[in-house]
Amino acid sequence: GIQVEQSPPDLILQEGANSTLRCNFSDSVNNLQWFHQNPWGQLINLFYIPSGTKQNGRLSATTVATERYSLLYISSSQTTDSGVYFCAVVGMDSNYQLIWGAGTKLIIKP
Amino acid sequence: KAGVTQTPRYLIKTRGQQVTLSCSPISGHRSVSWYQQTPGQGLQFLFEYFSETQRNKGNFPGRFSGRQFSNSRSEMNVSTLELGDSALYLCASSPGTVRETQYFGPGTRLLVL
Repeated sequence: GIQVEQSPPDLILQEGANSTLRCNFSDSVNNLQWFHQNPWGQLINLFYIPSGTKQNGRLSATTVATERYSLLYISSSQTTDSGVYFCAVVGMDSNYQLIWGAGTKLIIKP
Repeated sequence: KAGVTQTPRYLIKTRGQQVTLSCSPISGHRSVSWYQQTPGQGLQFLFEYFSETQRNKGNFPGRFSGRQFSNSRSEMNVSTLELGDSALYLCASSPGTVRETQYFGPGTRLLVL
């Protein structure tokens, strides 16, 4: 089945810094989503982005489907950005189920 | 629109007991998926229901089962609980096709003692 790898596994930054999180996937996808999981466990949708580029405030994402990777950019980080960021995909043969990366744990220090 | 709701939010059970978790999707959404999250295994797919039919199932033992009602609300049941079933159980809602955003509820934290 499709494999999803995220990097880096951990990232510690000062408030105000910028960051880039990467998601590599091993096969073509029908669906790719980025999520932020807060300390209480809630998964918050950031982007639905199987291809192309999107922006939402300080966050933006780019997926290059032909090269099988996606990037999540966070600019001017705030302490509330801390948490775990997950990339999840639905492969061509995954039948609606999201296949998850292991996540990037982001800590923003004040 | 109201978001995805899950009840209960927290549960403590003992080994051998059974548990039922509930998920109410976003109004108008017909697909409900269930995921288990543990520190060791990460997020894993349990099953997905659409219009009261199970469309897909993950690699979990038969102790894990689910159903969906005509109003799209879904329940999952775990029988004969084991310590390893302690996890965060997350429910996701979507309109129903693969190329759409899945929206998650707050989860149910299950602790098996």
